[in-house]
Amino acid sequence: EVQLLESGGGLVQPGGSLRLPCAASGFTFSSYAMSWVRQAPGKGLEWVSGISGSGSSTFYADSVKGRFTISRDNSKNTLYLQMNSLRTEDSAVYYCAKESVLIPAARQSHFGHWGQGTLVTVSS
Amino acid sequence: DNQMTQSPSSLSASVGDRVTITCRASQDSSNYLNWYQQKPGKAPKLLIYDASNLETGVPSRFSGSGSGTDFTFTISSLQPEDIATYYCQQYDNLPLTFGGGTKVEIK
Repeated sequence: EVQLLESGGGLVQPGGSLRLPCAASGFTFSSYAMSWVRQAPGKGLEWVSGISGSGSSTFYADSVKGRFTISRDNSKNTLYLQMNSLRTEDSAVYYCAKESVLIPAARQSHFGHWGQGTLVTVSS
Repeated sequence: DNQMTQSPSSLSASVGDRVTITCRASQDSSNYLNWYQQKPGKAPKLLIYDASNLETGVPSRFSGSGSGTDFTFTISSLQPEDIATYYCQQYDNLPLTFGGGTKVEIK
């Protein structure tokens, strides 16, 4: 059974940093691209960042480019999101999601499995 | 970016009704479109991939159609457990983008 478990969320001041891990199990982690998707309170879904199965290719939404870094440790079956220079508008539930393909947005790409999410609140 | 416009943003229907949601892409997206269901406080769940393919285990009352810029999601007979918000998502190009969501309620 595929399981994705995010952690690391919490309250942080504007300008601060936070690192979100997502522990994966139940599948061959390195064979699938992974993404982070966030949802601000009462709002819709926003794709944040994606990474290929090998970790060699990374992709970002313009809203986080230069501030967030996605990475993965395939030996530990763990996905990460390093968030720096946080802004109040980054407050959201952050989900890690498993893609169906090796590279984000490749043909037949879809998010078949999601974690339960971790809440990040950026506030002074 | 490929903007996804969903309509309506909310709807109220009776149990047993046919419910239809539309999603329009700002760019030709071929059939590179997925549909998700999200219940309050829960993570999204994949229902339809590649515009019309039903995910394993999803009830057959859910269906999708369309290609290019216009897509449709249908619940053939609304059930109480279908109360949720539904999102379309394109993967024709990066950044991946979602529609704004359609909240479905029971009348």
